[in-house]
Amino acid sequence: NAGVTQTPKFRILKIGQSMTLQCAQDMNHNYMYWYRQDPGMGLKLIYYSVGAGITDKGEVPNGYNVSRSTTEDFPLRLELAAPSQTSVYFCASSLDRAEAFFGQGTRLTVV
Amino acid sequence: AQSVSQHNHHVILSEAASLELGCNYSYGGTVNLFWYVQYPGQHLQLLLKYFSGDPLVKGIKGFEAEFIKSKFSFNLRKPSVQWSDTAEYFCALASGTYKYIFGTGTRLKVLA
Repeated sequence: NAGVTQTPKFRILKIGQSMTLQCAQDMNHNYMYWYRQDPGMGLKLIYYSVGAGITDKGEVPNGYNVSRSTTEDFPLRLELAAPSQTSVYFCASSLDRAEAFFGQGTRLTVV
Repeated sequence: AQSVSQHNHHVILSEAASLELGCNYSYGGTVNLFWYVQYPGQHLQLLLKYFSGDPLVKGIKGFEAEFIKSKFSFNLRKPSVQWSDTAEYFCALASGTYKYIFGTGTRLKVLA
């Protein structure tokens, strides 16, 4: 049982480049989330999804896009990377409002 | 608006000392409450959760938390901390809109 799998674990991007952070879960959870974690700021919700085909913005969606074509996958797209997007990104999933399960995180640096 | 406040940003304790981390939330409806722990370089893991029923909940590794509805609080406690408890602790709520809102975290350092 893999849980929530994120790839890559580390990435360095140049300003203006784009990339997709992958997230997959094998628990048949309906809800999936993307958070970013910055020192002293806790976790901020970027986007979330309540099921395949349905996504919605969180607190800090600017500069990001998501899609949810299947229950399992919830990729996060960064277009035109900026230094302000340097952060640790966590994907999570849950069944309704029960416990959220987190992936191992992606440490992204934009230079 | 929904929010979670953790007032202690950094806590330093000696081994065997007792721990209490404060958490207050703001939300008018029914909430599910959580404490997560993040060890250095790792992802968040669930310590304990409260959905309903007994307001004193016990979690893993000897942690417990008490839900006090009148104070909108969900404080985390442990009678005797160990060096291995050094980590960052996050309080969170899950609201009716199915979003998890996290506090800013408390960094706990336990001195051996």
